[in-house]
Amino acid sequence: QSVLTQPPSVSAAPGQKVTISCSGSSSNIGNNYVSWYQQLPGTAPKLLIYEYHKRPSGIPDRFSGSKSATSATLGITGLQTGDEADYYCGTWDSSLSAYVFGTGTKVTVL
Amino acid sequence: EVHLLESGGALVQPGGSLRLSCEASGFTFSTYAMNWVRQAPGKGLEWVSGISGSGSNTYYADSVKGRVTISRDNSKNTVYLQMNSLRVEDTAVYSCAKDFGVVPSNFDYWGHGTLVTVSS
Repeated sequence: QSVLTQPPSVSAAPGQKVTISCSGSSSNIGNNYVSWYQQLPGTAPKLLIYEYHKRPSGIPDRFSGSKSATSATLGITGLQTGDEADYYCGTWDSSLSAYVFGTGTKVTVL
Repeated sequence: EVHLLESGGALVQPGGSLRLSCEASGFTFSTYAMNWVRQAPGKGLEWVSGISGSGSNTYYADSVKGRVTISRDNSKNTVYLQMNSLRVEDTAVYSCAKDFGVVPSNFDYWGHGTLVTVSS
């Protein structure tokens, strides 16, 4: 049972926007940076967002991140069929002294 | 270009041991922390362990603490995961990930993983 909770799935039509929430607590999201990872089917995860909202080189600005109190959100605009994947949030948990991933969210493009 | 290549996965009986290796290339290995992350079949990501660039700091998930040891040899650009007292629930693909954070935090490159199957 993860300490970070995400919705199991979200969906939208091509070109639309989806948001994925990641709910935690003061020991993790509330006081530590959050990263977001995309895992396309059958591939290794890819870092999409780090330190709540920063994008690594090569990640399009269709992907955005934000944080409010003990929750973080990943936004994907201009949804494409190639965005169909599992998305995970992750952060350090100071109480557990461990890194924790969210439960994962499957994005479906209708 | 960064490459991470895991090896050492195998079929092992419960209670057995295994050592996984991850050979890195394309970056100054000793500068960066490294982590192991696993994914059981059809399940989500689970962080297992992390180690600082110098090897002086190590971190473990509660689920493996006391059974797993992470180490690295910077002269060989390799990070290891020694796994003992293996359980059926340790069955997963184990991947190594490069990290540019201080504590485990930002996994910017991942290997494709090596499969560990624990079964009698």
